[in-house]
Amino acid sequence: KQEVTQIPAALSVPEGENLVLNCSFTDSAIYNLQWFRQDPGKGLTSLLLIQSSQREQTSGRLNASLDKSSGRSTLYIAASQPGDSATYLCAVGTGANNLFFGTGTRLTVIP
Amino acid sequence: SAVISQKPSRDICQRGTSLTIQCQVDSQVTMMFWYRQQPGQSLTLIATANQGSEATYESGFVIDKFPISRPNLTFSTLTVSNMSPEDSSIYLCSVRAGTRTETQYFGPGTRLLVL
Repeated sequence: KQEVTQIPAALSVPEGENLVLNCSFTDSAIYNLQWFRQDPGKGLTSLLLIQSSQREQTSGRLNASLDKSSGRSTLYIAASQPGDSATYLCAVGTGANNLFFGTGTRLTVIP
Repeated sequence: SAVISQKPSRDICQRGTSLTIQCQVDSQVTMMFWYRQQPGQSLTLIATANQGSEATYESGFVIDKFPISRPNLTFSTLTVSNMSPEDSSIYLCSVRAGTRTETQYFGPGTRLLVL
């Protein structure tokens, strides 16, 4: 069974700092990998989706990379803002219907 | 993209009772998914609901405990039956939609507390 781990569990940074969130998974036979943010009371918002054949995806200040062979993905956030404060979830798609989620990294950006 | 709404947003229930959660999507989708997020845990898929067929349940989840309805392509319900405090969780409805059908969209969730 696919297991997804996210480190760190929580992170506090001052505004303007660049930061990296980490995600690792145990089975490299993945279909895709998605990064979500979760805000209290607002469900999950998809940030970036990387297909298994891709190495990275970018959206604005966000850049996600994928190294399938080593079972790792990173989410890079540039010039962090207080509005980036949320829990960030990594989810691995296996080609079936299921997404395997990590437990998330709770990010706090301090003004 | 898809916009998903859920009702209720939260509820407090007594053990032994049942609660039905509604999920409405603003577009027609083939598959709808129900997830559970227990306190401090990651999201876990409960079942996949296709319109016109029985829901498919993941290991550890059974129809008697979590009956699902899927009457049309925009609506689904999940019932949490005979609740116990261990059922206290956030329940989320999800779909895949749009041109990038691998992208998954989630509803705001239903926060359930069982006393």
